[in-house]
Order: sequence, then structure tokens, then C-alpha cells
Amino acid sequence: EPEVTQTPSHQVTQMGQEVILRCVPISNHLYFYWYRQILGQKVEFLVSFYNNEISEKSEIFDDQFSVERPDGSNFTLKIRSTKLEDSAMYFCASSPGTGGRGANVLTFGAGSRLTVL
Amino acid sequence: DAKTTQPPSMDCAEGRAANLPCNHSTISGNEYVYWYRQIHSQGPQYIIHGLKNNETNEMASLIITEDRKSSTLILPHATLRDTAVYYCIVRVANNAGNMLTFGGGTRLMVKP
Repeated sequence: EPEVTQTPSHQVTQMGQEVILRCVPISNHLYFYWYRQILGQKVEFLVSFYNNEISEKSEIFDDQFSVERPDGSNFTLKIRSTKLEDSAMYFCASSPGTGGRGANVLTFGAGSRLTVL
Repeated sequence: DAKTTQPPSMDCAEGRAANLPCNHSTISGNEYVYWYRQIHSQGPQYIIHGLKNNETNEMASLIITEDRKSSTLILPHATLRDTAVYYCIVRVANNAGNMLTFGGGTRLMVKP
């Protein structure tokens, strides 16, 4: 079964450092997403991406965050200068965007755990 | 998207049916009911979705009341591996790209 792949599975970084989290969405999907989950809290939407641009973003997704699709397969989340409160599990997801009934079903990756010290 | 209300936790005996309720009294005519689950900090996993008819797949059944103000997710024979947080999410119908908004969900504990 097709899956969304995320790397790294765990990253430890110092406060103020830049971090890039990588995702390989399902190959024929058109919509890509980043979510995060702080330990013990809800899964929170960060950003959605379609046709090489951001389609929607939350208040969390401020200027410290950026997303990119550098090639035909990868989708990245960059945190420019990490803060302690950025420590969380980050989930990438993708959805087909077409195909009728299943168009809006998101498939999530296993997540990347970010620890900021 | 309409707000949903779920009990914070439920227990179920292994092998029995798990019935997880969800209230969505402000649901609009063009909103689907989606169910996802999250097993121990793994990525959320899609289970099933529906508009007004009952739906069944290999994982579960979804029963939506006639007025669409509530629904029940049924896991027919719960196993220990079904222990997870289950999220009921209401979302505009097939509007590709719309974000999912996760609430607190129901923490289902399947016990031997």
C-alpha cells in the first residue's frame, strides 16, 4: 500500500538552529500538508500546499516556517530558527485531490520528532 | 467546518464491538463525517467517511442518523491493536485540499 515517508524520524537541535524536515508524499497525490502535535496535545494543522504554492495556513505557521517542493517527489518543512516550543512531532500528509469519493482522504506519514534544546 | 463532540474515553473488551459516538448537531448539508485514529503518537490513520448513508469497509462501519446530527463508528470485533484515539471530523464534501481540524477525540482502550 502506498505510504507517506518522513525523514528524519527524530532530530535533536539547539535553539536557534535551522531544521529541515523531509517528506515524500504518495506519488500521484496533488495536495500536501504539514501538521504538528506537541506532546500530550491535539494534532494541529500548519499548512497545505497545492500546485507549488501554499493553499492554506494556520496562525502557527508564521515567518519562521516555510515549505517547499524542491523536486517532483520531496516536500519539505523548514523552521528557520528553532525555539523550545517547536519541540513536537511533525506529520506530513498527502491527499489525491481528484478521483471522487477518496479525493479528500489524507494519508499521514509516521512523523518526525523534533526536540529543541 | 462544524464542531464535533466525542466522549474523552471509552473501554471495550477484546472481541466485542466498540461503538464510538460523535455528535455534530451543526453539520451542514455539504459536510461529510470522517473518522481517523491515532495509535500511540503514530500518524493519524484514515478509517472511513460518509455523507448520509451508512458505510462499511474492511476496518469499520459508520452509522449516521437520519437527521445527520450524530454518528457512530463501529469496530465489529475490537482487538488490542485497536487501542487508539479516535477522531470524528466534519468537513466540507470533497473540497480537495481542505485541512482537517482534529479535536480531542475518544481514547479507546481495548482490554483483554
